[in-house]
Amino acid sequence: RKEVEQDPGPFNVPEGATVAFNCTYSNSASQSFFWYRQDCRKEPKLLMSVYSSGNEDGRFTAQLNRASQYISLLIRDSKLSDSATYLCVVNVGRNYQLIWGAGTKLIIKP
Amino acid sequence: DAMVIQNPRYQVTQFGKPVTLSCSQTLNHNVMYWYQQKSSQAPKLLFHYYDKDFNNEADTPDNFQSRRPNTSFCFLDIRSPGLGDAAMYLCATSRDGKETQYFGPGTRLLVL
Repeated sequence: RKEVEQDPGPFNVPEGATVAFNCTYSNSASQSFFWYRQDCRKEPKLLMSVYSSGNEDGRFTAQLNRASQYISLLIRDSKLSDSATYLCVVNVGRNYQLIWGAGTKLIIKP
Repeated sequence: DAMVIQNPRYQVTQFGKPVTLSCSQTLNHNVMYWYQQKSSQAPKLLFHYYDKDFNNEADTPDNFQSRRPNTSFCFLDIRSPGLGDAAMYLCATSRDGKETQYFGPGTRLLVL
């Protein structure tokens, strides 16, 4: 089993719709969690950190479920510019490294 | 603006010809990372420096080496590139390794 797993998609979603995807992690000792966004042929950029209490940033909401060991990302009122790959990243606290998921590809259609 | 800079952005090399990729940062972060990313895959950590301490991932081939002459600069040396080494190489930095990683724009390597 991979340490961090994501549905690769692609998720094809009409503009204005709400979309959500999950990411599961295997190490129960994982300490911190992030969502990164990566545009085609560009570097990953931090979208948001995921806190135990959940957090919201505009149209984006991230949740953490420690009992079931997954994090989620919800995007409301999706825009064409939201089309990208969303990477789930988990810090298991060993030797300063992050464990990356392979990403979920999102395509917003007009 | 503080940032992570990678040069060159695109590098073409021949099979077996050594190549060096560079990364510099103005964030004054003490941790620097090198990742390899192939199409539709997660970034794969090759190694990282925590200050001057070098940490190599167990599955990083010996063909890949790194140097960090000072806080601001870090280099990735590929001694004998193979066709399978064609990828995007990403440099990232973080403060103390416990916070957000900031990425450079990457160097896309093509091996002919």
